[in-house]
Amino acid sequence: AQKVTQAQTEISVVEKEDVTLDCVYETRDTTYYLFWYKQPPSGELVFLIRRNSFDEQNEISGRYSWNFQKSTSSFNFTITASQVVDSAVYFCALSEAGNYGQNFVFGPGTRLSVLP
Amino acid sequence: ETGVTQTPRHLVMGMTNKKSLKCEQHLGHNAMYWYKQSAKKPLELMFVYNFKEQTENNSVPSRFSPECPNSSHLFLHLHTLQPEDSALYLCASTEGALSTDTQYFGPGTRLTVL
Repeated sequence: AQKVTQAQTEISVVEKEDVTLDCVYETRDTTYYLFWYKQPPSGELVFLIRRNSFDEQNEISGRYSWNFQKSTSSFNFTITASQVVDSAVYFCALSEAGNYGQNFVFGPGTRLSVLP
Repeated sequence: ETGVTQTPRHLVMGMTNKKSLKCEQHLGHNAMYWYKQSAKKPLELMFVYNFKEQTENNSVPSRFSPECPNSSHLFLHLHTLQPEDSALYLCASTEGALSTDTQYFGPGTRLTVL
């Protein structure tokens, strides 16, 4: 069965610091997708990135970057020069190839607080 | 902008009330989902609908009754709830029915059961 671990329950940083959120996953499938979502205080989960298991290239989008390493089953998320607006709960998720939503598993989330 | 709306955003109800949560997606998607998010717990998938047909019921108590009249609308009918049902209820949609499709979420309904 698939599993997602986000060992960091809460992280606090001061504005402009870089911060990395860890995500470790378990799956027996060779084909799977990894996701990151942001949940600000308003409650809505905002989609950030989707990455398939065959694409290990790192990705950068503005201040956000993702490091996918199959060798360690990790998909870490780094925010560079953090801002107060980055304060939210961040969820890593894993989905295995298959039908419907039951194969979509979320991690417990990491609460990031960026202090001014 | 998300394209998935939920109403109401907040709801307070007594254990004997009957209420309904509504979700509407404007993305042209074909699959819709209900999730429950309780404090200190991971997101829990409740129901999945694909082309209006329910394809997943994740052992949800019968006091939660979903309805999907078309691919754009999803309801969650609530009756005789318990205080432990207080949570954030999130609706999501995907273009197709594959679990690898990106799920797009609404803002949620924060439910408090007194």
